[in-house]
Amino acid sequence: RKEVEQDPGPFNVPEGATVAFNCTYSNSASQSFFWYRQDCRKEPKLLMSVYSSGNEDGRFTAQLNRASQYISLLIRDSKLSDSATYLCVVNVLYGGATNKLIFGTGTLLAVQP
Amino acid sequence: ETGVTQSPTHLIKTRGQQVTLRCSSQSGHNTVSWYQQALGQGPQFIFQYYREEENGRGNFPPRFSGLQFPNYSSELNVNALELDDSALYLCASSSGTSVYNEQFFGPGTRLTVL
Repeated sequence: RKEVEQDPGPFNVPEGATVAFNCTYSNSASQSFFWYRQDCRKEPKLLMSVYSSGNEDGRFTAQLNRASQYISLLIRDSKLSDSATYLCVVNVLYGGATNKLIFGTGTLLAVQP
Repeated sequence: ETGVTQSPTHLIKTRGQQVTLRCSSQSGHNTVSWYQQALGQGPQFIFQYYREEENGRGNFPPRFSGLQFPNYSSELNVNALELDDSALYLCASSSGTSVYNEQFFGPGTRLTVL
């Protein structure tokens, strides 16, 4: 079983739609949580950190449920420029001193005009 | 831009060869992590360097090795290249090893092994 699992998609949605991505993680030692965005053939870029209290940044809302080990990302009013792969990421502290990011395989979003 | 640079951008090698990839960390960052991203997959952690010492390693064989220099730049070396080593290699720098230190990624080196 993969440590971070997410639906690979693709999600094809029209402009203006609301789209939700879900992710589950298996390592209960996971300490911090993120969504990254990756454009084709580019490096991943941090979209937002995810907190149990939920956090919102403009059209983007992220939520963490530690009890269920579940992370979500909601994008409202989708724009063409939102087309990318969205990576669910957890940060796990190993051996007390090493923090490593564990990535899901990513969910491809294609926003159609 | 993150201020993290990697070289070269692209590289083509043949099986059995050796390769060195380079990463310059963002100013003020003392920690560099390396990741391998195969096509259609998320990045996988190779290892991390903190203040010139290896600070943890993922599930990669010993032919993947690295260095970190006094200016905190880093190298990833891969010996005896295999076809499956074809991937995007990403380095990420951060200001420490806490799980709360954001990791900033460079643009990556795309390695093709023929």
